Amino acid sequence: GESVGLHLPTLSVQEGDNSIINCAYSNSASDYFIWYKQESGKGPQFIIDIRSNMDKRQGQRVTVLLNKTVKHLSLQIAATQPGDSAVYFCAENTRFRAGTALIFGKGTTLSVSS
Amino acid sequence: EPEVTQTPSHQVTQMGQEVILRCVPISNHLYFYWYRQILGQKVEFLVSFYNNEISEKSEIFDDQFSVERPDGSNFTLKIRSTKLEDSAMYFCASSRDSNGEQYFGPGTRLTVT
Repeated sequence: GESVGLHLPTLSVQEGDNSIINCAYSNSASDYFIWYKQESGKGPQFIIDIRSNMDKRQGQRVTVLLNKTVKHLSLQIAATQPGDSAVYFCAENTRFRAGTALIFGKGTTLSVSS
Repeated sequence: EPEVTQTPSHQVTQMGQEVILRCVPISNHLYFYWYRQILGQKVEFLVSFYNNEISEKSEIFDDQFSVERPDGSNFTLKIRSTKLEDSAMYFCASSRDSNGEQYFGPGTRLTVT
């Protein structure tokens, strides 16, 4: 089964609203989580990350929340703008001997209307 | 700002042909990765590479795939005999640390006909 996934495939919001994108993970040993944004025809772009010793981390207009008890991750975008329209993926790291691999969820398509 | 670059942006090939996808990771990064994304699906890990050897690979990365760092700047993915199901976006990524942020390139769209 999937290690990481998102609850909703699509999310539509109005410009200025706050957006919340959710993700559930299954590997309780994961200690590093990342949110990526992917615009059409481009590679994943790092948004924000969080390590398992934290439960909240804030960036510019974005906040990531980590609930290890229920293995849940969320991305909050404040005052959503049309430029935020993209596919958002959560990813968890899997640590190997000499590197890590990111395990991605399926993605949520965020559509922001003016 | 340094970035990962990939060439070509789009590669069309016939089934059974060999393709080489090229990447130039960020210059001071030591860890390199290839990922694949079939249209409309999630990004999937293929392989990680460190110190001139593969450190991990997924089930997707079978004997048809190989990676190489032929010089101090390039990192390549070779598919020896392409299949229709190899059609996908292939992303290269690099990181400075083994457990740090991975920076992704813009991808190469591979179309196998």
